[in-house]
Amino acid sequence: NAGVTQTPKFQVLKTGQSMTLQCAQDMNHEYMSWYRQDPGMGLRLIHYSVGAGITDQGEVPNGYNVSRSTTEDFPLRLLSAAPSQTSVYFCASSYSEGVGAFFGQGTRLTVV
Amino acid sequence: GQQVMQIPQYQHVQEGEDFTTYCNSSTTLSNIQWYKQRPGGHPVFLIQLVKSGEVKKQKRLTFQFGEAKKNSSLHITATQTTDVGTYFCAGDQAGTALIFGKGTTLSVSS
Repeated sequence: NAGVTQTPKFQVLKTGQSMTLQCAQDMNHEYMSWYRQDPGMGLRLIHYSVGAGITDQGEVPNGYNVSRSTTEDFPLRLLSAAPSQTSVYFCASSYSEGVGAFFGQGTRLTVV
Repeated sequence: GQQVMQIPQYQHVQEGEDFTTYCNSSTTLSNIQWYKQRPGGHPVFLIQLVKSGEVKKQKRLTFQFGEAKKNSSLHITATQTTDVGTYFCAGDQAGTALIFGKGTTLSVSS
């Protein structure tokens, strides 16, 4: 039982490049979310999903796309990386609304 | 949209002193959750409060949910160096994902 697995752990991108941050969970959780963490800003919600085929925007969705084709996976796509997207990205999952979430180890992304 | 505010942003205490962080929401919450993040780590779920006026304890940690379900607090009695980290509250409105406060970073000197 691996929990929530994020890959890669570290990534450096050049401005304008695109990439996908992977998130997978093996707990059969319906709810999955992506957050970014910046110093002094806490955890800000980017996108979330309440089940396969359903996604919605969070507080800071611009520049990011998501899809949820399976219960297990919730990838986050950066369309054209910008230095402002330099951050630590966390994926989280929970069994349902209103229960505690499990977080992945995070992906530290630097855009130069 | 929903906002969750948390104070203080930073707190330094001597080992053995008490510590409290406060959380306020702009809207009524279905429940409130608390998480701890150690330096360099990821957030770890501590507890969830659901009922108005609810109080829960975990050893030296006491969690409260306000009567109006718009505020909450976490109190640590007699802090230890293992309590170091950032404590986040997160509000949950029906049908949405968790919205986190900015966190309170606790440092403890021995």
